[in-house]
Amino acid sequence: DTAVSQTPKYLVTQMGNDKSIKCEQNLGHDTMYWYKQDSKKFLKIMFSYNNKELIINETVPNRFSPKSPDKAHLNLHINSLELGDSAVYFCASSHQSITYEQYFGPGTRLTVT
Amino acid sequence: AQSVTQLDSQVPVFEEAPVELRCNYSSSVSVYLFWYVQYPNQGLQLLLKYLSGSTLVESINGFEAEFNKSQTSFHLRKPSVHISDTAEYFCAVRDGGSQGNLIFGKGTKLSVKP
Repeated sequence: DTAVSQTPKYLVTQMGNDKSIKCEQNLGHDTMYWYKQDSKKFLKIMFSYNNKELIINETVPNRFSPKSPDKAHLNLHINSLELGDSAVYFCASSHQSITYEQYFGPGTRLTVT
Repeated sequence: AQSVTQLDSQVPVFEEAPVELRCNYSSSVSVYLFWYVQYPNQGLQLLLKYLSGSTLVESINGFEAEFNKSQTSFHLRKPSVHISDTAEYFCAVRDGGSQGNLIFGKGTKLSVKP
């Protein structure tokens, strides 16, 4: 069974469109994350969320918004896509009170044309 | 603020040679350190971690890393690499904030040549 899954794996869209990336974890973890990996492979936290608190990296444009329908899902919605949004987006999860390691999804490669 | 420095962006080595990937961190709080590996076109997989206890930690595929508090380092080593070890390796430190975000280094591309 896949621990952390993301859909879609690839997403090609035009500037100005709105798109969503879905993430699900079946590990029973209490915290989920979104990371962005740029073309130079640099990974940066975008959001972290548990059932109590959403923490937003202040450098993330407000066109990006996480949405969590339940503890097992944290989706990423992006409005008015720009060329600079092209990257690989990774979802991750962890259980903060038991272990500290994060488990990552396979990534979604977003290409904005 | 915490940070992670991976000094080498690329490390080319021949198969069966030893390798060391360097990682230095800065942190003013309790340190939890990780190495992740990313194979081409895949997500990140946890390779090993240091939370407490023994400063030498090992992975199941022959890698090891040693936590050195005085040198603020967590270098990754393997005595004999294989072609299949070719990947991007990321060192990370857990943020001291409430949700434990990971702060990553910029990664080291390990290329193993026959």
